[in-house]
Amino acid sequence: KAGVTQTPRYLIKTRGQQVTLSCSPISGHRSVSWYQQTPGQGLQFLFEYFSETQRNKGNFPGRFSGRQFSNSRSEMNVSTLELGDSALYLCASSLAGRSDNEQFFGPGTRLTVL
Amino acid sequence: AQTVTQSQPEMSVQEAETVTLSCTYDTSESDYYLFWYKQPPSRQMILVIRQEAYKQQNATENRFSVNFQKAAKSFSLKISDSQLGDAAMYFCAYSRSSNTGKLIFGQGTTLQVKP
Repeated sequence: KAGVTQTPRYLIKTRGQQVTLSCSPISGHRSVSWYQQTPGQGLQFLFEYFSETQRNKGNFPGRFSGRQFSNSRSEMNVSTLELGDSALYLCASSLAGRSDNEQFFGPGTRLTVL
Repeated sequence: AQTVTQSQPEMSVQEAETVTLSCTYDTSESDYYLFWYKQPPSRQMILVIRQEAYKQQNATENRFSVNFQKAAKSFSLKISDSQLGDAAMYFCAYSRSSNTGKLIFGQGTTLQVKP
């Protein structure tokens, strides 16, 4: 089985722009979670999508949004980029989004905001 | 709110020796899951070991084992016979026992393995 894939792997944007990141889960997985990883704040949960519905949301401003498609692929969007949005964005998929389901992580998208 | 704390930013161990990484957490829930994830440099994060809070027996996966102290809210990871490939950042994580894909992570511990 193919693992979780994320595109693009690297991205450079300027302040004020918007960006869309994509995550393709493992085939058959219905839950996709997104995390932001920075040296200062560590790994922080952004949101989770299950069966095309946002099921959980972290403490991030409304500039961060996401969606999930019928094939479970997910996208996250960040509008009006700020310097502090520079981070590694990780997505993880699991079978049914239950606590006892193992989450499989993608390689991440490295976003740099100039 | 649930929190996870890893108080050791960096640890080092000699190859073939044993090392223990510490993790404490805070929660008012009685049922939950705890995890250790490994993130090698420039590689994908992978699950090392998982512990269900309702199970008293400590989880073990080959050279990796945990010491789960529920009353003390402590969840340490022991790596035996350390190998060079164990060098990575290790994250302790918590999840409520429910239909959720939300993990709460600690700050991470960077483990260096010396040959």
